[in-house]
Amino acid sequence: GQQVMQIPQYQHVQEGEDFTTYCNSSTTLSNIQWYKQRPGGHPVFLIQLVKSGEVKKQKRLTFQFGEAKKNSSLHITATQTTDVGTYFCAGMNRDDKIIFGKGTRLHILP
Amino acid sequence: GAGVSQTPSNKVTEKGKYVELRCDPISGHTALYWYRQSLGQGPEFLIYFQGTGAADDSGLPNDRFFAVRPEGSVSTLKIQRTERGDSAVYLCASSLLAGVRTDTQYFGPGTRLTVL
Repeated sequence: GQQVMQIPQYQHVQEGEDFTTYCNSSTTLSNIQWYKQRPGGHPVFLIQLVKSGEVKKQKRLTFQFGEAKKNSSLHITATQTTDVGTYFCAGMNRDDKIIFGKGTRLHILP
Repeated sequence: GAGVSQTPSNKVTEKGKYVELRCDPISGHTALYWYRQSLGQGPEFLIYFQGTGAADDSGLPNDRFFAVRPEGSVSTLKIQRTERGDSAVYLCASSLLAGVRTDTQYFGPGTRLTVL
């Protein structure tokens, strides 16, 4: 069946360094959403990308949707301790199925 | 306003028992989703309601799982003959629009189910 893969599974960065997580789907997606889940918390919606090649920014966060609509990335510039958590992508395929990746867990080293 | 609420926050049960998990969506939200999240995994889709009807229940793992939303608001996820493999956090999410799966989903805090 369709899979949404996320890499890396874990990432440790020094505070102030940049961070990127990548999401890849085995099939073309209608859209992709990104969520953040703090330790012990629930997923919180960050953004949705719909168009091929779309790029959206939220302050230090930059989201991209690939031209083929099969991959996406989230890039955080100059990480802060508040960025700690697990970042999930969730892709919707042509059958309106929503499939979450396994997430990338971000640790910030002070 | 209030967000999505779920009760109980924790449920410990014995193998073979029946459990019900409740979700109160954000008032006015037409769409409601149930997910299951195991440790170290992303949320796994179970079922999606538009109003009172289950628009997509293809994620329910087997016939021991059933969900209802009789009045188009509160939903109950029911698990019969629980198994240890059912242990997970069960998340509920709601969104404003029905028929638009791309609408922002607001997640509840989840119910942590432990089957002994």
